[in-house]
Amino acid sequence: DAGVTQSPTHLIKTRGQQVTLRCSPKSGHDTVSWYQQALGQGPQFIFQYYEEEERQRGNFPDRFSGHQFPNYSSELNVNALLLGDSALYLCASSLAGHHTEAFFGQGTRLTVV
Amino acid sequence: GEDVEQSLFLSVREGDSSVINCTYTDSSSTYLYWYKQEPGAGLQLLTYIFSNMDMKQDQRLTVLLNKKDKHLSLRIADTQTGDSAIYFCADSYNNNDMRFGAGTRLTVKP
Repeated sequence: DAGVTQSPTHLIKTRGQQVTLRCSPKSGHDTVSWYQQALGQGPQFIFQYYEEEERQRGNFPDRFSGHQFPNYSSELNVNALLLGDSALYLCASSLAGHHTEAFFGQGTRLTVV
Repeated sequence: GEDVEQSLFLSVREGDSSVINCTYTDSSSTYLYWYKQEPGAGLQLLTYIFSNMDMKQDQRLTVLLNKKDKHLSLRIADTQTGDSAIYFCADSYNNNDMRFGAGTRLTVKP
């Protein structure tokens, strides 16, 4: 049983470009949350998707958007990349009503140059 | 905004107990978590506690919660070199989004 998988593992983009990160939740999970972890910091909540809709959002600009597909997988899109967007992006999956058992993926390391 | 704070570093000898402390500010937090992150890896949930509890024990791990002081601690008994990692404290009000501290880097010396 695969856990949470994220792709790609590493990515280098140029300032101003757009990026799409992908997440496949753990089998049986229907909720996906995205977090940004800057170097030396704890993760910060970006948003959560359930039933293909954004259910809750953290304090991130509209440049950060997402999508959830019918198979529960999810994408995080970031437009107009800034140097400050360089971070580890973590996806966490859970089952609605059981969020105390969220599982995290290994993350995608995004570097903006 | 609401914050979660932790000390940044802790160093212990193998076999000793480790105690990692955390404070949070949101009195409405209902769930409190401890996660472990090893180099190059994602976060691994170690344990969590509901705000109506004051202690939870799971094998070598003991979580203590002082809700009045908004203080959470994680005690690791018989600390091993494999316990070396960054430990994150997190809280949540609605169990949807979690607010994390900056992490405590635990170093276990042989």
